[in-house]
Amino acid sequence: QSVLTQPPSASGTPGQRVTMSCSGSSSNIGGNAVNWYQQVPGKAPKLLIYTNDKRPLEVPDRFSASKSDTSASLAISGLQSEDEADYYCATWDDSLNGHVFGTGTKVTVL
Amino acid sequence: ELQLVESGGGAVQPGGSLRLSCVGSGFAFDDHAMHWVRQTPEKGLEWVSGINYDDASRGYADFAQGRFTISRDNARNALYLQLNSLRPEDSAIYFCAKDFSRGWVFWYFDLWGRGTPVTVSS
Repeated sequence: QSVLTQPPSASGTPGQRVTMSCSGSSSNIGGNAVNWYQQVPGKAPKLLIYTNDKRPLEVPDRFSASKSDTSASLAISGLQSEDEADYYCATWDDSLNGHVFGTGTKVTVL
Repeated sequence: ELQLVESGGGAVQPGGSLRLSCVGSGFAFDDHAMHWVRQTPEKGLEWVSGINYDDASRGYADFAQGRFTISRDNARNALYLQLNSLRPEDSAIYFCAKDFSRGWVFWYFDLWGRGTPVTVSS
């Protein structure tokens, strides 16, 4: 029922690059900034990327993101075991007049 | 240390009520908008409600409108969510989240609590 669609899973071996997408529409991603959250199972979500492509100081530069039209993507370079988590995109939706989250992508480190 | 700590969750029967609380520390609580976000395995993360730094404006998701009420007490660094007319589908972990800005619209959540579970069942 989420308005933002993400692939349910992604995986890679240590050191590999993993990417995931977030697809929306003109009322959300198309007109607003995208943010990404990381959630390790059993823990609280953590801000990973804000305003499309900016990293909080404590987030490693292995994480990068971009936005184009009504889609966004997150990449993890040099995958590490501690990157195993769920990743959610989020943005504002002008039609719903509220914040919306993606369906989430579970990243597995093989 | 920057921290948000939720409390007040529990088990309640359909139609019942609960009041969730969240206390913030380590930052200027009265200078930031605050939110409630819930999570279930079926629906993932869902924004529930947000409130401006000065309580001048509040917003709700459609499913929360008319049943849930967000409020804050800046003197106590506290955020609240009154849950009324609860339904089984309201069962979730409820997170408190700090907004980057003073307003509850547009921006992002830069600090989250660990959540408090709510179970609605007969």
